[in-house]
Amino acid sequence: DAMVIQNPRYQVTQFGKPVTLSCSQTLNHNVMYWYQQKSSQAPKLLFHYYDKDFNNEADTPDNFQSRRPNTSFCFLDIRSPGLGDAAMYLCATSSPGQAADTQYFGPGTRLTVL
Amino acid sequence: QQQVKQSPQSLIVQKGGIPIINCAYENTAFDYFPWYQQFPGKGPALLIAIRPDVSEKKEGRFTISFNKSAKQFSLHIMDSQPGDSATYFCAASSGSNYKLTFGKGTLLTVNP
Repeated sequence: DAMVIQNPRYQVTQFGKPVTLSCSQTLNHNVMYWYQQKSSQAPKLLFHYYDKDFNNEADTPDNFQSRRPNTSFCFLDIRSPGLGDAAMYLCATSSPGQAADTQYFGPGTRLTVL
Repeated sequence: QQQVKQSPQSLIVQKGGIPIINCAYENTAFDYFPWYQQFPGKGPALLIAIRPDVSEKKEGRFTISFNKSAKQFSLHIMDSQPGDSATYFCAASSGSNYKLTFGKGTLLTVNP
């Protein structure tokens, strides 16, 4: 089945130790998004790629970076994780302009910062 | 103007009841209104979505009612089951800005 895959599902890192989360998709969608979701909150958009064009949200800390080497893959890099960065990180994809502008979410990566 | 206001924050119903979750928006440019269901530890999954050219859409036990003039839309779950216990998010987007604006979510508990 076409889907959005995130690896790893659980990631434990130490305070200040860089970490990379990955997302891949078989939907061939133009847009890939990264969200941060904390407990009992809605997903918060960090940034997205429309094809190769990177779009950062104004309030996304510089500590968060992203790479999209090709259509299928997108990475979230957290350069120096703090305790406040512990959260679920969600990847999503969409293909705007089609009949359904739906975002399809992956299962998420739960990040723990020690 | 970009906000989507969702209520209630939490909701408890008995099995077979009809929980109703409401959302309101201000941005008249919004033209796509999805509902997502999220179980603990999982990513949100699209449940049902509506565009403003219809006032109601049904998919199985889930119904969206849409009131364009009031800028409100709601989710109704018919014959609710304990397996429906989850957090539900409404959202909105516009063709010119395809990013989703989420409501704050409703934690639904369906008791057996």
